[in-house]
Amino acid sequence: NAGVTQTPKFQVLKTGQSMTLQCAQDMNHEYMSWYRQDPGMGLRLIHYSVGAGITDQGEVPNGYNVSRSTTEDFPLRLLSAAPSQTSVYFCATRTSGYESYNEQFFGPGTRLTVL
Amino acid sequence: AQSVTQLDSHVSVSEGTPVLLRCNYSSSYSPSLFWYVQHPNKGLQLLLKYTSAATLVKGINGFEAEFKKSETSFHLTKPSAHMSDAAEYFCVVSPNSGYSTLTFGKGTMLLVSP
Repeated sequence: NAGVTQTPKFQVLKTGQSMTLQCAQDMNHEYMSWYRQDPGMGLRLIHYSVGAGITDQGEVPNGYNVSRSTTEDFPLRLLSAAPSQTSVYFCATRTSGYESYNEQFFGPGTRLTVL
Repeated sequence: AQSVTQLDSHVSVSEGTPVLLRCNYSSSYSPSLFWYVQHPNKGLQLLLKYTSAATLVKGINGFEAEFKKSETSFHLTKPSAHMSDAAEYFCVVSPNSGYSTLTFGKGTMLLVSP
């Protein structure tokens, strides 16, 4: 099993460009989420989904869109990239949205630079 | 509401000496607490978790943590550091049930010298 996969690993964008960060999981987990990691800030939740068709905002949702049409995939869209979105992005999953005490499994990350 | 404070941004130890990474939490309910480790350019990996069972929790690679409700602490320890322990460590708090999200501490970078 691949676990949680993210593509691309690295991306450089110009201000105003759009792109989609991909996240896929083969663990049949209901809950999927996106975090951004910035130096000295820990991980901050952008958006999450407790199942196909259900998404909600996290701590820092502005500038990002998500959708969840299948259990396996949870793409993160940047509609108009800004330098403030330069960060490392992690996708994470767990078995159920209800079981917050369960382990989360993280992807390897996407390192995004916006010029 | 919940929050977590990691008291040190960097900790330096010598190989073979004990490791102590400090974490205090604030929660209005009975929490679950986790420690995750992130090696350079990697994703996060669960070290251990506390979910209201035994207060002393053992994790992978010889790490353990003790939940102290009276002190609202969940410090991570290891008796003897290894070079491979050099990484960033995150303390995480969550409600013990229900739909909820995790709150991460800002991280502690552990440096291990020979």
